[in-house]
Amino acid sequence: EPEVTQTPSHQVTQMGQEVILRCVPISNHLYFYWYRQILGQKVEFLVSFYNNEISEKSEIFDDQFSVERPDGSNFTLKIRSTKLEDSAMYFCASSTGGSGGGETQYFGPGTRLLVL
Amino acid sequence: AQKVTQAQTEISVVEKEDVTLDCVYETRDTTYYLFWYKQPPSGELVFLIRRNSFDEQNEISGRYSWNFQKSTSSFNFTITASQVVDSAVYFCALSEHGGATNKLIFGTGTLLAVQP
Repeated sequence: EPEVTQTPSHQVTQMGQEVILRCVPISNHLYFYWYRQILGQKVEFLVSFYNNEISEKSEIFDDQFSVERPDGSNFTLKIRSTKLEDSAMYFCASSTGGSGGGETQYFGPGTRLLVL
Repeated sequence: AQKVTQAQTEISVVEKEDVTLDCVYETRDTTYYLFWYKQPPSGELVFLIRRNSFDEQNEISGRYSWNFQKSTSSFNFTITASQVVDSAVYFCALSEHGGATNKLIFGTGTLLAVQP
């Protein structure tokens, strides 16, 4: 069964450093998402991506964040200068559709980011 | 504004008991989609069910069943004859029709602990 994969599973970084979180969405999916979950809290939407551009982003997704689909399979989230409060689990998700469709999003296993 | 409320923070049951997890949602849309996801201790988010707002039929899948009631804006999840493997955090989520993308709005989750 196709699945979303994410690397690395864990990342420890120093405050102010750049991190890149990588995701490989399900191959026939067209919409891609990043969510984050601060420890013990709910899952929060960060950004959605379709047709090589951002479709929607939340207030959390400020100028420190960027997303990219550098090739036909990878989808990345970059945090330019990490802060302590960026420590969280980051989930990538993908779906066949997005706008108006309510299609199911399938999530990767997550990357646990710890900023020291 | 869209909102999902899971008032039960934690529930503890003994194996073989039935348990119901509550979910109440708010939306101004007439077309929307509701989801349940399971987050086991390993951390991944596992899709359980998707429901659109026009389909109020209850659904049963093995030991799992879902009760969708538009009149009370609720989408409750029942596990029959619970097992230890059901121990997880369960998230209810909402997406609205016609937005830029169908981002998911999650509730705060219910931690279910099934004791042997």
